[in-house]
Amino acid sequence: AQSVTQLDSQVPVFEEAPVELRCNYSSSVSVYLFWYVQYPNQGLQLLLKYLSGSTLVESINGFEAEFNKSQTSFHLRKPSVHISDTAEYFCAVSPLGGYNKLIFGAGTRLAVHP
Amino acid sequence: DVKVTQSSRYLVKRTGEKVFLECVQDMDHENMFWYRQDPGLGLRLIYFSYDVKMKEKGDIPEGYSVSREKKERFSLILESASTNQTSMYLCASLEQTNQPQHFGDGTRLSIL
Repeated sequence: AQSVTQLDSQVPVFEEAPVELRCNYSSSVSVYLFWYVQYPNQGLQLLLKYLSGSTLVESINGFEAEFNKSQTSFHLRKPSVHISDTAEYFCAVSPLGGYNKLIFGAGTRLAVHP
Repeated sequence: DVKVTQSSRYLVKRTGEKVFLECVQDMDHENMFWYRQDPGLGLRLIYFSYDVKMKEKGDIPEGYSVSREKKERFSLILESASTNQTSMYLCASLEQTNQPQHFGDGTRLSIL
């Protein structure tokens, strides 16, 4: 079985400051890793994913995440946040070879203040 | 562009009612999913379907059933709604392995 732990339920930060949202997972099989973002009153949107290859993956809006196999982590970072990044962020894993079921963490609410 | 449409954004029902939540995708995806989202718990999988008329239980199927008569439509049914089923419900679809799931905007269901 798989599980995902997002270590912070809320992260307040000032605009233009750096941010890191932490995600650790547990799995007995290889997994794909995802970060999804949910803006207020909307569904989830894919932010970035790790399937294979380079352990550092980037999104088009400046976020990046690094897969660390030894620490079973997939932390999300951004060097300078904007007010518009205020949202809830979900880390998720999907075991290889299954029906693409996603196992989600509890979410981290990022609040960017001016 | 991928589109997953949930029929209602907000829904209010009474305890004991039979409730239908509808989800339609326009991408000819084989896999469809129903999740519920609760604060502090993230998203939990209720049921999923990998083909027409095929369904599998997720992690929290109790009190729910599903129907997939056509490829594009996946319905979630609350047989006899209870107050502990008040939640946000999210539908998703998926084309194939290693592709991301595409989500609808959700239905916020309140059971009074």
